[in-house]
Amino acid sequence: QSVLTQPPSVSGAPGQRVTISCTGSRSNIGAGYDVHWYRQLPETAPKLLIYANNKRPSGVPDRFSGSKSGTSASLAITGLQAEDEAHYYCQSFDSSLRAVFGGGTKLTVL
Amino acid sequence: EVQLVESGGGLVKPGGSLRLSCAASGLSFSLSNLAWVRQAPGKGLEWVSSITGSSSYIYYADSVKGRFTISRDNAKESLYLQMNSLRADDTAIYYCAIDTYGSRFDDWGQGTLVTVSS
Repeated sequence: QSVLTQPPSVSGAPGQRVTISCTGSRSNIGAGYDVHWYRQLPETAPKLLIYANNKRPSGVPDRFSGSKSGTSASLAITGLQAEDEAHYYCQSFDSSLRAVFGGGTKLTVL
Repeated sequence: EVQLVESGGGLVKPGGSLRLSCAASGLSFSLSNLAWVRQAPGKGLEWVSSITGSSSYIYYADSVKGRFTISRDNAKESLYLQMNSLRADDTAIYYCAIDTYGSRFDDWGQGTLVTVSS
């Protein structure tokens, strides 16, 4: 069981907007630690998508955005494209466990 | 361009040992904190261990503490994970990653598969 909770799956049609939630607790996200998001395409390594809650690494389109509030965070994807179909993981830091991940969310583009 | 290339995975019996390696290039290796993150088949990501650039600070997940040892050789720009007393639930792809500010993982290798089975 993962420390951070994500929905197992979300879906949306091309062009739509989807959000993925990530719920933690007062010992991780609620303690003020940053939330980061990774995208994992099938049979490939994870890749950093959003860091420090809402920052995009170079090369990540602005269709991807992140936010954080209280003990939760969200990843939003607008203008959904077929190539966005992947697993998405949130990650933060926990004062007792070091780095912690969410269980992952499978995004299906309908 | 940062490159991380893992090796050393394979099939090992329960109770056995394995040593993973990660060869790095394209980064200031001795200044970079590094980590191992694993992913069991069909499952999510799990942080395993981190080590600072000078090896001064080392951290382990509770699930591997006392069985796994992380180390690095800055002259060879390589990271290692010595895994002893392996169990079936250690079966996973093991990724080498750059651990930035002890907070996030900026770059990842392609991973190496470890299978623990009799």
